[in-house]
Amino acid sequence: GENVEQHPSTLSVQEGDSAVIKCTYSDSASNYFPWYKQELGKRPQLIIDIRSNVGEKKDQRIAVTLNKTAKHFSLHITETQPEDSAVYFCAARGSYIPTFGRGTSLIVHP
Amino acid sequence: GAGVSQSPRYKVAKRGQDVALRCDPISGHVSLFWYQQALGQGPEFLTYFQNEAQLDKSGLPSDRFFAERPEGSVSTLKIQRTQQEDSAVYLCASSLVTSGPRGETQYFGPGTRLLVL
Repeated sequence: GENVEQHPSTLSVQEGDSAVIKCTYSDSASNYFPWYKQELGKRPQLIIDIRSNVGEKKDQRIAVTLNKTAKHFSLHITETQPEDSAVYFCAARGSYIPTFGRGTSLIVHP
Repeated sequence: GAGVSQSPRYKVAKRGQDVALRCDPISGHVSLFWYQQALGQGPEFLTYFQNEAQLDKSGLPSDRFFAERPEGSVSTLKIQRTQQEDSAVYLCASSLVTSGPRGETQYFGPGTRLLVL
């Protein structure tokens, strides 16, 4: 089955800095890669996703890049703000079951 | 519109007790997933429905876990004879379709936090 590794497990940045979270996957058949933000005690919410026919996607301060050859994808957050503090999960999906990474706790210090 | 809802939000059960967790997906969503999320971990797949058909239950940890979606909308996850290791947050998610560039986004419910004593 699919295996998703996510790093780092914790990321601490100053407000205004950039944050990068990286994930690797094992199944070359995976073709859909969503990223979720989960605030403490809240539900995971999709923040951005990318399909395997695209190398990069941006949405305001958030971008995701995908390297199919190397089987890794990354989340980039620029100009971080304290409200970006949360746990971020990557996922990789082939047919219909997404496999999630273990999460990255992002802390943005004001 | 209304999002995915789950009930109860919190459940404390004594070991050996049966519990039932409810999920109300977004109206019209064909696909419904159940996940188990342990503390500090990502969601782990339990089972998947397309309408009323349970197409995959490979993630259910034991035969004490049972899920149903009899009319293709509301789903119930039942855990029989609960054990301490069942303590986790149980998340439900629904999507308009299973896969494809339109409608595959999964919308999660708030989860049910189950504590087995």
